Amino acid sequence: EDQVTQSPEALRLQEGESSSLNCSYTVSGLRGLFWYRQDPGKGPEFLFTLYSAGEEKEKERLKATLTKKESFLHITAPKPEDSATYLCAVQAGNNRKLIWGLGTSLAVNP
Amino acid sequence: DTEVTQTPKHLVMGMTNKKSLKCEQHMGHRAMYWYKQKAKKPPELMFVYSYEKLSINESVPSRFSPECPNSSLLNLHLHALQPEDSALYLCASSQDPTDDRGGRSPLHFGNGTRLTVT
Repeated sequence: EDQVTQSPEALRLQEGESSSLNCSYTVSGLRGLFWYRQDPGKGPEFLFTLYSAGEEKEKERLKATLTKKESFLHITAPKPEDSATYLCAVQAGNNRKLIWGLGTSLAVNP
Repeated sequence: DTEVTQTPKHLVMGMTNKKSLKCEQHMGHRAMYWYKQKAKKPPELMFVYSYEKLSINESVPSRFSPECPNSSLLNLHLHALQPEDSALYLCASSQDPTDDRGGRSPLHFGNGTRLTVT
């Protein structure tokens, strides 16, 4: 069964303390892996798409990487405004329905 | 600000009411989606419209009725809802159901309608 697992469930960092969020997946035929950020009461905001192992994407303090089994979202020197829930979703095979992880809730303290 | 606009932002309705949620995008996207999201859960797919035709219905109860009047607009008509239908209803769009790599192009979400059924 296709599955996406995110860890940790929650993470609390001090401002400037770099860390990584994990999204591991077991799917048949990865077509794309997506990272989203969601603030409370808002819709998910698209961050990155990764298509193949070895691919990396960067945006400001965020860097997403992909292997054949997992993706990491690295956060370098985070700021309080990076506090949000980070969601990972995978599109696999001929299934047009995204498979979502449960998210990582990130809190960055000043 | 999101490029997918949803109205209203908040809606409270009784179980006998009829109401509609509206969504509009002006990015030229040809696929539009309705998702339902409960607290601390990921979005749950309800419907997909591809080129203005309903292509996916995730076995959603008939008290939810989608409509796509044109490529920019998406509605969700609500009737005889139950309290357990209370949730954040998200609209999303994507450039095309598949991109040139054979994978789906990313979804762009609106900020949702917070629905409370009393």
